[in-house]
Amino acid sequence: EAGVTQFPSHSVIEKGQTVTLRCDPISGHDNLYWYRRVMGKEIKFLLHFVKESKQDESGMPNNRFLAERTGGTYSTLKVQPAELEDSGVYFCASSATAARTDTQYFGPGTRLTVL
Amino acid sequence: GNSVTQMEGPVTLSEEAFLTINCTYTATGYPSLFWYVQYPGEGLQLLLKATKADDKGSNKGFEATYRKETTSFHLEKGSVQVSDSAVYFCALNAGNMLTFGGGTRLMVKP
Repeated sequence: EAGVTQFPSHSVIEKGQTVTLRCDPISGHDNLYWYRRVMGKEIKFLLHFVKESKQDESGMPNNRFLAERTGGTYSTLKVQPAELEDSGVYFCASSATAARTDTQYFGPGTRLTVL
Repeated sequence: GNSVTQMEGPVTLSEEAFLTINCTYTATGYPSLFWYVQYPGEGLQLLLKATKADDKGSNKGFEATYRKETTSFHLEKGSVQVSDSAVYFCALNAGNMLTFGGGTRLMVKP
């Protein structure tokens, strides 16, 4: 069974440009999460999808970030326009249920560098 | 709010040494507790978890016990190997999201 995949693995863009990150969850997982780790700080929650609906987007830093999950399968996270402080590693995770006891399986991450 | 505090690294050990990485937490309700590991060049992998007080999670020789009285979930291994060199993250889930500690880098020398 394939794990969580993310694309691209690395992205280098200039300030003001747009970047779109993609996440493919484990097949059959209704729950999809985005997290990020910036400047060596803690990994922070961004948002949670249940199927195609945003269940919780309390961690989204501002309106330059837009996440979608059309059809309830893969998800995209767009940053527009990118700022220097957006540099970091963006992780996607998926789980079968949203129970606090359930394991969230992580992808390898996308390292974003904004110059 | 919820928070996780883990010892800062790096932790440097010789092969076959005993490992302890401390983790304490603050949470509302009854969280589940997790240890994730990130090997060089890879993503986060679940190492072990415990979902209620006094549960012990174990995997690959690593163990951690959910201590509600001390709000702790310390990671231990009796004899580390060079291949255990990685960054270890303690995390909790009290609702739908994971709250992580800052990560502890472990370096094991032959």
